[in-house]
Amino acid sequence: DIQMTQSPSSLSASVGDRVTITCRASQSISSYLNWYQQKPGKAPKLLIYAASSLQSGVPSRFSGSGSGTDFTLTISSLQPEDFATYYCQQSYSTPPTFGQGTRLEIK
Amino acid sequence: QVQLVESGGGVVQPGGSLRLSCAASGFTFSSYGMHWVRQAPGKGLEWVAFIRYDGSNKYYADSVKGRFTISRDNSKNTLYLQMNSLRAEDTAVYYCAKDPNSNYVMSSWGQGTLVTVSS
Repeated sequence: DIQMTQSPSSLSASVGDRVTITCRASQSISSYLNWYQQKPGKAPKLLIYAASSLQSGVPSRFSGSGSGTDFTLTISSLQPEDFATYYCQQSYSTPPTFGQGTRLEIK
Repeated sequence: QVQLVESGGGVVQPGGSLRLSCAASGFTFSSYGMHWVRQAPGKGLEWVAFIRYDGSNKYYADSVKGRFTISRDNSKNTLYLQMNSLRAEDTAVYYCAKDPNSNYVMSSWGQGTLVTVSS
């Protein structure tokens, strides 16, 4: 199975900050990398697919980049509603696997 | 708009069985692959199973293979997860998710149903 490792595991930031979350795959996954946002008590929501494609309806302050084994999710200017947990997920092979999550908290 | 509503969760003893359902609406259910994904309390996301749009292919996580069965009834727009030989470590919120291109991208999710395995 492909292991996905996110860093950091948690992060404190302020409204308006630029934030970057990193995801590393244990082997090359080309651009088969997706990002999800999950708020407490809610289902995950797809933000980015294929490493850099923005899901319909997701604000443009979210962006993704990377290929191979190293990927990033960037939020250009944090908004109050962005404080949540973020997961990366590889869709390169079965089983699809998720990173452990990055909890983004208000500073 | 896409709506996925899970049901069937509850408390079950170790070794017991439970069947989860996921009622789909707002899209042509019979055209899309579907997943089950679970989340243990306070933990991350774990993929459980996937079924193609027509039920022709099914894939499972090693942790549930041989115990869980994914199925679908396209005439009822409903996805199922039959869970047998349940263990304490199966305790989780179970989500169903739509996969528009059957490429393991989960574009829409239900609200989840909690399964608790405990004596």
